[in-house]
Formats: sequence, C-alpha cells, structure tokens
Amino acid sequence: GALVYQYPRRTICKSGTSMRMECQAVGFQATSVAWYRQSPQKTFELIALSTVNSAIKYEQNFTQEKFPISHPNLSFSSMTVLNAYLEDRGLYLCGARDWSSYEQYFGPGTRLTVL
Amino acid sequence: QQKVQQSPESLTVSEGAMASLNCTFSDGTSNNFRWYRQHSAKGLEVLVSIFSDGEKEEGRFTAHLNRANLHVSLHIREPQPSDSAVYLCAVSMRSGGSNAKLTFGKGTKLSVKS
Repeated sequence: GALVYQYPRRTICKSGTSMRMECQAVGFQATSVAWYRQSPQKTFELIALSTVNSAIKYEQNFTQEKFPISHPNLSFSSMTVLNAYLEDRGLYLCGARDWSSYEQYFGPGTRLTVL
Repeated sequence: QQKVQQSPESLTVSEGAMASLNCTFSDGTSNNFRWYRQHSAKGLEVLVSIFSDGEKEEGRFTAHLNRANLHVSLHIREPQPSDSAVYLCAVSMRSGGSNAKLTFGKGTKLSVKS
C-alpha cells in the first residue's frame, strides 16, 4: 500500500535556530510533494508545492529563504524551517501525490514547538 | 483564489443520530473533493473522495456533491463517540502537477455523545 512517513514526529527547538524535517513516500512514486502547516487554532495552509524537475512554488507569505525544500527524487522530500520563531510552531504535514493515480497521501506530520 | 468554508463550526450529536456537515467552495472548476478527519491535532485520515456530482459512500460516511451549487456535504450514519474529531473539507483540481494544491476549510468539530 501507499504510505507516507515523516520524521521526526515531534521536535522542539530554541527560538532563532533551525530544524529540518523529512518526508518519505513508500509504495508509490510521488511526482509532487506539498508541504502544509497547521498553526494553533488554524486550518492547514499550503507552504509550497514541489514537483520533480520543476521549480518549487511557494505560496504567499512563505519563502524559499525561510522554508528551503529539497525534492531530489520521486520518494523523498525535506524541508527546513530556518530561524524558527514562535509563529512557526504547529503541525507540518507532507502530502505526496502518486504520479499514476493522482491520489494524495499524507504523512502523520511533524509537530514543531519553538521555545 | 479558492475559498472553502465549512459549517457548522461545531456540532454535537447523540450516538446513533445522523451527523451532517457542510462545505462550500468558490471555484466552480474544482473537481476533486475530499473529506478528512483529524483527531486531536494529529495527522489526516481520508474518509471520502468524490469527483463528480452525486453521492459517494465509504462505509458509514457519504459525501454528496453539487458543483452547480458549489456545495459538498458529508453525512455520518450511526456516529459513535470514537467519531468525535475535527472534520476537514479539502478542494482541488484532480489532474495536473501544479493542481495538487489542496485548499482546506477551517473544519467542523464534531462531538458524539453516548
């Protein structure tokens, strides 16, 4: 079956430091990976959409300078939160889209706490 | 820009009674609609995906889509206390790389009382 793993599941970092999170698609080839953030009391916002062999497209209010993403192949993506501050806390979800079925599968998320 | 709105914000039903959740969207060209469930700010569990007008049933969960009215609903038959969660509506286009973007509603918090 198609599964998406995210690592780490939970992380705590000090204000001003950076942390990297990973997303692994298993059982299918992910032609695109979308990173979402759910801030406290809010719904999921799209950060960026990464399609292999295409430029990564960031949504308004999110930048490559703040959230650099690497998507080197059809099964792996990583995103770093640089200089994390309180407003960056939340649940970060990775959604990987299967190239053959267009189904999007989500990982369990990485919960970021900023102290 | 796509706008997705859900109602009600919260809903309490008794165990066994039908629960009905609503979702409206603004982009009439959308053709990919999903209902997700989120327990206690954890990851997302997909419940039903629907791509054409009409109904789609997955176990106790039935989605009803009316694209002309920009409306998609979710009905939960015989809800149980374990169904208590936040239910999220997500809308996108089905095909195309750049159209993998899902726009989420803010969710309906469902409480099922025994």
